[in-house]
Amino acid sequence: QKEVEQNSGPLSVPEGAIASLNCTYSDRGSQSFFWYRQYSGKSPELIMFIYSNGDKEDGRFTAQLNKASQYVSLLIRDSQPSDSATYLCAVGYSNYQLIWGAGTKLIIKP
Amino acid sequence: EADIYQTPRYLVIGTGKKITLECSQTMGHDKMYWYQQDPGMELHLIHYSYGVNSTEKGDLSSESTVSRIRTEHFPLTLESARPSHTSQYLCASSEPGQGYLGSPLHFGNGTRLTVT
Repeated sequence: QKEVEQNSGPLSVPEGAIASLNCTYSDRGSQSFFWYRQYSGKSPELIMFIYSNGDKEDGRFTAQLNKASQYVSLLIRDSQPSDSATYLCAVGYSNYQLIWGAGTKLIIKP
Repeated sequence: EADIYQTPRYLVIGTGKKITLECSQTMGHDKMYWYQQDPGMELHLIHYSYGVNSTEKGDLSSESTVSRIRTEHFPLTLESARPSHTSQYLCASSEPGQGYLGSPLHFGNGTRLTVT
């Protein structure tokens, strides 16, 4: 059974520091990897996606993918209180199938 | 900016009632999805569609049905609501992927359903 694991947290990070969120997945056939942010009571919104090994940067966010070790991470630089949310990792196995992690709750302390 | 719309936003209904949750998108996406999410829990896929007249069940049996008569419209129907159906229902769509690679999902604002 395909699984996506995330530490549920909460992960507490001081404002201005780097927040590091991790996600591991079980199936080596995974091809696409997505990070979503979800505020309490709201819908998930896409932060980043990555398909290839290595790093992908977008503003304060960096996604890191290591297929050999089967993990994907999200780094948030210069963390802001507005970054406080639950971060969902989703792993794609085909053109339509996504397996979701339960999310990591991130708290940025002013 | 919501390109995918869900109504109603909140719904409280009695056991045994038939309900339809509406979902429409203006992006012309072929793929559409319905997810169920309880507070603090992961998303579970209920139904998905690749296009008009194409619907499939997901990994969560929710005793619901869907239809896809038009590209932009993907309603979810519960024939007989039960308290166990109380949850948040999220509709999403995605553009065609790059071959075998999946493409990101765009979510609506969700419908929070309470069955009493």
